[in-house]
Amino acid sequence: AQSVTQLGSHVSVSEGALVLLRCNYSSSVPPYLFWYVQYPNQGLQLLLKYTTGATLVKGINGFEAEFKKSETSFHLTKPSAHMSDAAEYFCAVILYSSASKIIFGSGTRLSIRP
Amino acid sequence: AAGVIQSPRHLIKEKRETATLKCYPIPRHDTVYWYQQGPGQDPQFLISFYEKMQSDKGSIPDRFSAQQFSDYHSELNMSSLELGDSALYFCASSLGTQPYGYTFGSGTRLTVV
Repeated sequence: AQSVTQLGSHVSVSEGALVLLRCNYSSSVPPYLFWYVQYPNQGLQLLLKYTTGATLVKGINGFEAEFKKSETSFHLTKPSAHMSDAAEYFCAVILYSSASKIIFGSGTRLSIRP
Repeated sequence: AAGVIQSPRHLIKEKRETATLKCYPIPRHDTVYWYQQGPGQDPQFLISFYEKMQSDKGSIPDRFSAQQFSDYHSELNMSSLELGDSALYFCASSLGTQPYGYTFGSGTRLTVV
């Protein structure tokens, strides 16, 4: 069963526009949630994570995400896109019962139009 | 700050050969995880170790084996390599099962020719 779903395998926005990458999880118990970014031929870089506490999480490079339990969502946003944001973005979860392995979504490729 | 170290960064092997990938966790981290990311795919969990014992197992082929040593570094051994094994292999480490310090290495890119 898919534990995390990313809506949209490819998102394209104009430079300076709002970035919204969608992620929904399926778990009866709130999981730990992560967003990772991967540039071409590079490793996984952690953007931000939600474990407990404040539901609005701020990350690096101006990104933030809000954990919404009622919607089982953890969407990633950035107010103003920059060309350097073009990359693959993975939403990921650690389920309460998963012995801490991370389960990744299928990824969303973000393209930035000049 | 020290990160997760993986070696080698790149590896080219021929079909049916054997490969060994190494992972050195962040100091004091006692849990290691291995992931495989095929071209255009999301990373898939292979196997994990906690305190030198296997703690979880994912979609790891029988041709692959792994272990964690007394210094907590881990090695992924891959035998009878197939073209489909070409992928980016990530290692991650954490302290116990706490997700707070979960950190990935830069990966080893394995190419099987």
